[in-house]
Amino acid sequence: AQRVTQPEKLLSVFKGAPVELKCNYSYSGSPELFWYVQYSRQRLQLLLRHISRESIKGFTADLNKGETSFHLKKPFAQEEDSAMYYCALLGTGRRALTFGSGTRLQVQP
Amino acid sequence: DAGVIQSPRHEVTEMGQEVTLRCKPISGHNSLFWYRQTMMRGLELLIYFNNNVPIDDSGMPEDRFSAKMPNASFSTLKIQPSEPRDSAVYFCASSSTTGFGTEAFFGQGTRLTVV
Repeated sequence: AQRVTQPEKLLSVFKGAPVELKCNYSYSGSPELFWYVQYSRQRLQLLLRHISRESIKGFTADLNKGETSFHLKKPFAQEEDSAMYYCALLGTGRRALTFGSGTRLQVQP
Repeated sequence: DAGVIQSPRHEVTEMGQEVTLRCKPISGHNSLFWYRQTMMRGLELLIYFNNNVPIDDSGMPEDRFSAKMPNASFSTLKIQPSEPRDSAVYFCASSSTTGFGTEAFFGQGTRLTVV
């Protein structure tokens, strides 16, 4: 079975502070990991994926297989980062993503 | 392409009524997914289709829920009879395998309220 855990329902930080959204997964194989974001009144969209090892809007995420984690980080939060963030896993040979329960990020001025 | 299109955007219905949610995937995508979003449980996969064929419906809550994909450009999710606990946002998504793995593109969602 595959499972994604996001322990924080809400994370509130001030503008300019570092941000880390936690994500842990359980999966017996080698999964693909993703972060999706949902801004207010917008559809859910892909933010980044571990395969491409890219930084999007200042966010990065490193897959740690030893700790089975894929935490999302940004050194300096901006107000426009306020949104709902979902960590997701794609198992080997599967096409459907398994999502965590999501973390709402609030960046205060 | 306008992306994944869902209708209606909002639906309010009375308990016991039939509800039909509709989805038009992105042209050329061969996988389609139905998810349900609630505060308590986040995003749950209900069912997904590959090349119009249902592959995994283990997430469908019970027999009151059914989904069809009669062709590559249309899918429906039906709830009959509806119950208040079905109130949620229902998302449709589609994807096509790429070299970097599978990115799912989501619709705007249908907010269902059963009273």
